[in-house]
Amino acid sequence: RKEVEQDPGPFNVPEGATVAFNCTYSNSASQSFFWYRQDCRKEPKLLMSVYSSGNEDGRFTAQLNRASQYISLLIRDSKLSDSATYLCVVTSPNQAGTALIFGKGTTLSVSS
Amino acid sequence: NAGVTQTPKFRVLKTGQSMTLLCAQDMNHEYMYWYRQDPGMGLRLIHYSVGEGTTAKGEVPDGYNVSRLKKQNFLLGLESAAPSQTSVYFCASSTNNEQFFGPGTRLTVL
Repeated sequence: RKEVEQDPGPFNVPEGATVAFNCTYSNSASQSFFWYRQDCRKEPKLLMSVYSSGNEDGRFTAQLNRASQYISLLIRDSKLSDSATYLCVVTSPNQAGTALIFGKGTTLSVSS
Repeated sequence: NAGVTQTPKFRVLKTGQSMTLLCAQDMNHEYMYWYRQDPGMGLRLIHYSVGEGTTAKGEVPDGYNVSRLKKQNFLLGLESAAPSQTSVYFCASSTNNEQFFGPGTRLTVL
């Protein structure tokens, strides 16, 4: 089983749609969880951290289920500018520092 | 405040050539990382450093060496480039869990 698994998509949705991305991770000792966004041919950037209590940032909601080792990202009222690849990321408990394990990403395309 | 910068942005090498990729950060971060990103593979950690003068291997370290002589710089070296090292290389730095990435170096090995 890969350490972080995501549905690669692509997800093609119209503007205004609600879209959900899912992610599973294999190491139950992972402590921190994130969603990063990567635009085409650009570097990844932190979108939001994910907490067990769930957290929301505007149109974006992230949730974590530690028991199921499952992370989700919900995007409401999709905008054209949301088109990107969304990377599910967990910390690696086997390495010093704050090494991150990245999923392969889920591609979202929002059309007008 | 430039954040994380990488030099060069693009490079084409022949098999067997050597080169060094430079990463610099001006945020006074302790931790720095080198990743490679390949189609269908996601980002994979090559080497990382938890402070000046220290380095450690990541997931895919073979064929690469690194040095962290100054806190702000993290160098990635390819001693004898191979076509399998054709990739996009990202450097990142952090003080806590959020990592800040450079713009990447696109390397092609012929």
